[in-house]
Amino acid sequence: GNSVTQMEGPVTLSEEAFLTINCTYTATGYPSLFWYVQYPGEGLQLLLKATKADDKGSNKGFEATYRKETTSFHLEKGSVQVSDSAVYFCALSDHGGSQGNLIFGKGTKLSVKP
Amino acid sequence: IAGITQAPTSQILAAGRRMTLRCTQDMRHNAMYWYRQDLGLGLRLIHYSNTAGTTGKGEVPDGYSVSRANTDDFPLTLASAVPSQTSVYFCASSALAGGNYNEQFFGPGTRLTVL
Repeated sequence: GNSVTQMEGPVTLSEEAFLTINCTYTATGYPSLFWYVQYPGEGLQLLLKATKADDKGSNKGFEATYRKETTSFHLEKGSVQVSDSAVYFCALSDHGGSQGNLIFGKGTKLSVKP
Repeated sequence: IAGITQAPTSQILAAGRRMTLRCTQDMRHNAMYWYRQDLGLGLRLIHYSNTAGTTGKGEVPDGYSVSRANTDDFPLTLASAVPSQTSVYFCASSALAGGNYNEQFFGPGTRLTVL
């Protein structure tokens, strides 16, 4: 079945450091890929998405490229800020799925120190 | 625009009690979902509804039931709560079910503790 694997946290970085959170997936067909962010005490918010191979999603300085050859969708940011501290979830949506739900990774907690 | 609202925000419940978690969306989305979030397990789908009047089982449906009498509301009921149902519950909605990329919008969550 479809699945998402993302690097385990927690990840602790200093402000202005480079961030990479790895995400790989297993899926039949051609899924859409997402990164969601969950700030403390809140629900999940869509951070960025990509719907086909080689697409790059970007938002708030974060980027991720849909790599079909490596089945990956790694999240990157060149210079993190304290306000980026949150839990990040990689997810996929199978276009052919009848229920249309998202398959989530287990989440990676990021803490950014001043 | 409120988006998705959930109630209550948190609840402590005795085992064996019945509990309904409420979820309402004002975006006229067709599809709605209930997830539970547990540490180290990410989010797991409990039940879903592709459109008003239909529901389906997700990955972890046992002990839960849902109904979708109209477009806006999607309550989740625990008929007889057990401690393993202690979790944070998120309701979500999307404009479409399946099909093209399926961006989902999430509510703020309900933190449920079953003692």
